[in-house]
Amino acid sequence: RKEVEQDPGPFNVPEGATVAFNCTYSNSASQSFFWYRQDCRKEPKLLMSVYSSGNEDGRFTAQLNRASQYISLLIRDSKLSDSATYLCVVICYNNNDMRFGAGTRLTVKP
Amino acid sequence: GAVVSQHPSRVICKSGTSVKIECRSLDFQATTMFWYRQFPKQSLMLMATSNEGSKATYEQGVEKDKFLINHASLTLSTLTVTSAHPEDSSFYICSARGGTVGSPLHFGNGTRLTVT
Repeated sequence: RKEVEQDPGPFNVPEGATVAFNCTYSNSASQSFFWYRQDCRKEPKLLMSVYSSGNEDGRFTAQLNRASQYISLLIRDSKLSDSATYLCVVICYNNNDMRFGAGTRLTVKP
Repeated sequence: GAVVSQHPSRVICKSGTSVKIECRSLDFQATTMFWYRQFPKQSLMLMATSNEGSKATYEQGVEKDKFLINHASLTLSTLTVTSAHPEDSSFYICSARGGTVGSPLHFGNGTRLTVT
């Protein structure tokens, strides 16, 4: 079993749709969680951190469920510019462990 | 602005030569840096974890003698692709993070290596 698993995608959605991605992790000692966005032929860029209480940034909402060991990303009112690959990153600082998902490809169509 | 600088952004070299890629954290000390490789239309693949002042930890299947990593200071890690071959052509990316809980990863802008 992979240490971090993501919805494989691809997700093809129309503009304005709401789309959600999940990411499960196996290391229960994981301490910090992040969502990154990677555009084609570019490096990943931090989209948002994920907090236990859940957090929202505009159209994006991230949630963490420690009991079930997963994080989620919800995108509302999808824009064409949201088309990208979304990566989850899970870090345990105590043992310097960093794992990431394989990424979920999202394509938003007109 | 960028907090991790990677250089060069693009390099073309001949088969058999070595290429060095630098990764610098600009405004924080990075005790740990990571190196990745990404082939076209594929997922990011972790190659190794670079720890300042100690040997790098390589992922399974990554040749440590071919991909030399040096993390001599808290702000600089280098990856040297030795005796490069066309199959080493790829997008190489580094990332670094601070030492405190909650510190995110910051990625360099990547190096596109083409070996002819």
